[in-house]
Amino acid sequence: AQSVTQLDSQVPVFEEAPVELRCNYSSSVSVYLFWYVQYPNQGLQLLLKYLSGSTLVKGINGFEAEFNKSQTSFHLRKPSVHISDTAEYFCAVILNTGNQFYFGTGTSLTVIP
Amino acid sequence: DVKVTQSSRYLVKRTGEKVFLECVQDMDHENMFWYRQDPGLGLRLIYFSYDVKMKEKGDIPEGYSVSREKKERFSLILESASTNQTSMYLCASSSPLAGDWYEQYFGPGTRLTVT
Repeated sequence: AQSVTQLDSQVPVFEEAPVELRCNYSSSVSVYLFWYVQYPNQGLQLLLKYLSGSTLVKGINGFEAEFNKSQTSFHLRKPSVHISDTAEYFCAVILNTGNQFYFGTGTSLTVIP
Repeated sequence: DVKVTQSSRYLVKRTGEKVFLECVQDMDHENMFWYRQDPGLGLRLIYFSYDVKMKEKGDIPEGYSVSREKKERFSLILESASTNQTSMYLCASSSPLAGDWYEQYFGPGTRLTVT
């Protein structure tokens, strides 16, 4: 069975500080990995994705994530956050054999001025 | 840009009413999905469809049905709304034929309140 775990439900961080949002997954087959962002009262927007190749992937708005196969993790990082980064962040996986996404429970990032 | 639209941003219905949530995408995508989003539970898949008139149950189909009569439109139906169906509903689409077949594009969501 597939599952996605986001251990931190809420992450407060001061403006211009670095942040890491954690994501771990379990799967018996190869997966593709994604981070989505949801700004208040909006739908989900793709932040970045890992399909293959370099394990460090860069996304929009200065975010990046690193795929670690041995630890089955795909943590999201940003070296310096802005107020506008306040949002809900979802990690998701899709099996390389199918169409169904499996989402984590989300991490609410609050950037404090 | 892919655009996924949902018929209502906010909806208030009474218990027992039949509720229709509509989703339209303009990119000729084959796949369409309905999720509900609840605090602490993330997104849970209700139903999805790979083609016109085809549907598959997701993780939480109970109390819901769907209809896909046209490729661009995917409707979610609550036959008899209950208070535990108060939630944010998100529609998404994707295409297995596109270069980024795996990426799902989301609508803005419909916040449904059942009283």
